[in-house]
Amino acid sequence: DAMVIQNPRYQVTQFGKPVTLSCSQTLNHNVMYWYQQKSSQAPKLLFHYYDKDFNNEADTPDNFQSRRPNTSFCFLDIRSPGLGDAAMYLCATSRDMASGETQYFGPGTRLLVL
Amino acid sequence: DAKTTQPPSMDCAEGRAANLPCNHSTISGNEYVYWYRQIHSQGPQYIIHGLKNNETNEMASLIITEDRKSSTLILPHATLRDTAVYYCIVVPGGGATNKLIFGTGTLLAVQP
Repeated sequence: DAMVIQNPRYQVTQFGKPVTLSCSQTLNHNVMYWYQQKSSQAPKLLFHYYDKDFNNEADTPDNFQSRRPNTSFCFLDIRSPGLGDAAMYLCATSRDMASGETQYFGPGTRLLVL
Repeated sequence: DAKTTQPPSMDCAEGRAANLPCNHSTISGNEYVYWYRQIHSQGPQYIIHGLKNNETNEMASLIITEDRKSSTLILPHATLRDTAVYYCIVVPGGGATNKLIFGTGTLLAVQP
């Protein structure tokens, strides 16, 4: 009864080679988030979708893009991965964005850049 | 946004209660206190949240001081599986957002 699914759990890419990470949810939640978590650091929000509306955090590099083709799926695209983009990427969902709405996280995809 | 302060690490004996403190002295009246935990190499897991009153669920209890400037997460009978980083997060109130800004958290090590 997985609720937020991320595949694959581990992804290896080459420096500069575009990579896409995927997230799906069975909760029918309106909001989907992407976080980046570098080694020994806390998760950091990159952006989120409220339904089809995309909201970028101010300090998210342009190298990171996202797509949400439907309610269930959301993708993180890294156009030209650098060595510094190696991290765990976490997807989360919530029913709404009001205060008091809980976020539910997936298991994450660990990205390695060679 | 209100910031939180947590001890970087704590130990707890298996079977005993784990009491994790969090200071949020600049919290506003309509801001929630959330607790998440992250077991190594997994995604964060929601534990509990509260606004003013103490809260309890199947995982833990949340005790918020009357002035709301600090809180304590209580795991009543810690097990080895509770070893994780515990994040105390204050979520801006007013109904506009539930964005999570993670701090450094507390690494709880449950000892056998």
